[in-house]
Amino acid sequence: EDKVVQSPLSLVVHEGDTVTLNCSYEVTNFRSLLWYKQEKKAPTFLFMLTSSGIEKKSGRLSSILDKKELFSILNITATQTGDSAIYLCAYFGNEKLTFGTGTRLTIIP
Amino acid sequence: DTAVSQTPKYLVTQMGNDKSIKCEQNLGHDTMYWYKQDSKKFLKIMFSYNNKELIINETVPNRFSPKSPDKAHLNLHINSLELGDSAVYFCASSYRTAGANVLTFGAGSRLTVL
Repeated sequence: EDKVVQSPLSLVVHEGDTVTLNCSYEVTNFRSLLWYKQEKKAPTFLFMLTSSGIEKKSGRLSSILDKKELFSILNITATQTGDSAIYLCAYFGNEKLTFGTGTRLTIIP
Repeated sequence: DTAVSQTPKYLVTQMGNDKSIKCEQNLGHDTMYWYKQDSKKFLKIMFSYNNKELIINETVPNRFSPKSPDKAHLNLHINSLELGDSAVYFCASSYRTAGANVLTFGAGSRLTVL
């Protein structure tokens, strides 16, 4: 059965720290891996990764995919309180996005 | 302009009632989805439609019936509501073509069944 596993389930750090969120997957028909951020309402798109080893970057956030080892990481440097959210990893395959359980990140001022 | 809009945002109803949630997207996408998010924040797909055609029906009870009158709208009707239906329901849309499968989500509709 296809699955996406995220770790840690929750993480509490101080403002300014750097965090790494992990996502591993086992899928039969992989097309792409996506990261979303969910605060109070809708998940909002961060990155889509399709190729191994190519880092995607947006400000303090970056992500990379390893298709051989079947995992992805999301890095956030110099964290701010506005980074507090649930970070969702998902793969697109078989016509749908399948999500992991998410990592709840809390940034303490 | 809201890209994916859902109504209502909140719905509180009694067990056994029937209710509907509406969704509209103005992004020109050809595929729309319904996802359910439970109390543990786990997002699970329920249905997807491409150009009004049902593509995915993910072992959802028959009490749930999606309807897509055109590719910009996907509504969800729920009959005989049960306590376990309480959740946040998210509508989303995307293109179906490879490499363009970024889903854009609506703000969610929180359903509470008493």
